[in-house]
Amino acid sequence: AQSVTQLGSHVSVSEGALVLLRCNYSSSVPPYLFWYVQYPNQGLQLLLKYTTGATLVKGINGFEAEFKKSETSFHLTKPSAHMSDAAEYFCAVITYNNNDMRFGAGTRLTVKP
Amino acid sequence: GAGVSQSPSNKVTEKGKDVELRCDPISGHTALYWYRQSLGQGLEFLIYFQGNSAPDKSGLPSDRFSAERTGGSVSTLTIQRTQQEDSAVYLCASSTGQGGKTQYFGPGTRLLVL
Repeated sequence: AQSVTQLGSHVSVSEGALVLLRCNYSSSVPPYLFWYVQYPNQGLQLLLKYTTGATLVKGINGFEAEFKKSETSFHLTKPSAHMSDAAEYFCAVITYNNNDMRFGAGTRLTVKP
Repeated sequence: GAGVSQSPSNKVTEKGKDVELRCDPISGHTALYWYRQSLGQGLEFLIYFQGNSAPDKSGLPSDRFSAERTGGSVSTLTIQRTQQEDSAVYLCASSTGQGGKTQYFGPGTRLLVL
């Protein structure tokens, strides 16, 4: 079955600095990859997803992620962090023939003023 | 244009009692998922419904957990004889199908078993 590993349970950046949240996946068939964001006491909101086609995916709030098959990675980036980006971020993987979306353990992003 | 809704938003119960958690998916979505989010951990898949097909129950942790989906819409997750380790946030999501289809999540039900 597919799986996801998120490196770093906590990431802290200064406002205006680059955000990089790491995600590596394992899948025996081509994966579909997702990044979700969870604000306190709320459900998960989709940031972006990769299914097929262009490997650089742009999402909401200025986030983007690049699917790198050779590195089995789908890292999330944002050029300049904003205070409102502080939240928990989850990477997830699912395959076309599977109902079981596997989530990473999450990375909590803190943005310092 | 409502999203996925869940009720109750919070539930406190005593060990050994049964609880029912409700999920109203987005209208027209054929797929419905239940997940469990424990403190400090990621999301754990519990069960998946797709249309009129038999549900995928492979993620249910024990036979105390069950779920049904009536009329292809509303779903109820039932936990019998609750244990303290059942304390978690239970999230429901719906989508237009499986695989690469985006799952839209509800706000969750926070369950605390005393």
